[in-house]
Amino acid sequence: GNSVTQMEGPVTLSEEAFLTINCTYTATGYPSLFWYVQYPGEGLQLLLKATKADDKGSNKGFEATYRKETTSFHLEKGSVQVSDSAVYFCALSTFGGNNRLAFGKGNQVVVIP
Amino acid sequence: EAGVAQSPRYKIIEKRQSVAFWCNPISGHATLYWYQQILGQGPKLLIQFQNNGVVDDSQLPKDRFSAERLKGVDSTLKIQPAKLEDSAVYLCASSFRESLAGELFFGEGSRLTVL
Repeated sequence: GNSVTQMEGPVTLSEEAFLTINCTYTATGYPSLFWYVQYPGEGLQLLLKATKADDKGSNKGFEATYRKETTSFHLEKGSVQVSDSAVYFCALSTFGGNNRLAFGKGNQVVVIP
Repeated sequence: EAGVAQSPRYKIIEKRQSVAFWCNPISGHATLYWYQQILGQGPKLLIQFQNNGVVDDSQLPKDRFSAERLKGVDSTLKIQPAKLEDSAVYLCASSFRESLAGELFFGEGSRLTVL
């Protein structure tokens, strides 16, 4: 079946530090990959996506590259801000099978001034 | 553009009681989803509607959960009777059409606490 695995535990870092959140996936077929973000008190919102191998999704300074050979979609940002504090979810969907969106467990990111 | 609206935002009930959640999707979005997000876990799909028809309810505990979308717009999710393990945030989401299922718009969620 389809599943997403995110690195364990919250991430705490200082402002302007480099952020990486690891995401690996298992899927039948060719999935599309997504990062969703949930800011405090708000609903989940799409941060970026990639629909085929080697695609790079980017938004708000965040980037993630669809790596088929390593089945990964790691999220990166070169210089985080306090406003990036949120929970980040990696997700995938596959065409067919009702396009169900499967989420990872999420990573809490706390950016300290 | 108005987003996905959900109510109530918070609900506390005793076990074995019933509860209902309401969702109004973005105007024109044919596909509506209900997700369950237990603390520390990612959202899990409960049910997916396309207009007023059910596309996928394979993970809905049908002995206690029910959902409907009678006119293809608003939807309600009901739990009766509630169990302790139903404590979670219930998320409603919508998308313009099924082929863009990955690009969902979420409401703020309804947080349920079962005592």
